Amino acid sequence: GQQLNQSPQSMFIQEGEDVSMNCTSSSIFNTWLWYKQDPGEGPVLLIALYKAGELTSNGRLTAQFGITRKDSFLNISASIPSDVGIYFCAGPMNSGGSNYKLTFGKGTLLTVNP
Amino acid sequence: NAGVMQNPRHLVRRRGQEARLRCSPMKGHSHVYWYRQLPEEGLKFMVYLQKENIIDESGMPKERFSAEFPKEGPSILRIQQVVRGDSAAYFCASSPPGTGNTIYFGEGSWLTVV
Repeated sequence: GQQLNQSPQSMFIQEGEDVSMNCTSSSIFNTWLWYKQDPGEGPVLLIALYKAGELTSNGRLTAQFGITRKDSFLNISASIPSDVGIYFCAGPMNSGGSNYKLTFGKGTLLTVNP
Repeated sequence: NAGVMQNPRHLVRRRGQEARLRCSPMKGHSHVYWYRQLPEEGLKFMVYLQKENIIDESGMPKERFSAEFPKEGPSILRIQQVVRGDSAAYFCASSPPGTGNTIYFGEGSWLTVV
């Protein structure tokens, strides 16, 4: 089945630094989604990407849909302590399928030192 | 608007007992999905339901697991004769009618089997 590989697995940064994480797949995705999960909570959608090459921002977050449709990256600028959490990339399992049947990466754990 | 509501948030069961997890979708949402998250893993799709119908159960284990979404009341994920490997976070998500809509996750139910 489709698998999403996220890197890095974890990151330890200082408050104020920028962060970059990415997600790759062996197969093509038509949609890329980035979620954040706080400890003991459910995942919250941060950014959705629907078109190859698309670059979308949400506040200090920016995500891009790779041209090959097999990768995506998420950048966080000027990190703050509340950015701590696990960041997941996800995409629909079947090309052209509805967005409900998602494949998730294993996540990038972000720790921000104040 | 209240989000997707799940209960209980935490559940402890002994091996062999039954676990019942409940999910009330967001107001106006008629589609419900269940995902499972094993420790240090991403979420994995289990089942997609509409009122009184199971639409896609391709991610459900073949035995001991069942799900329903009755005409009245919450959706229920039922796990019979639980084993230690069932220990996980179970997330419910919902979306409005129609295809291609973003799904919204609840805060999860954490099942621990002792």
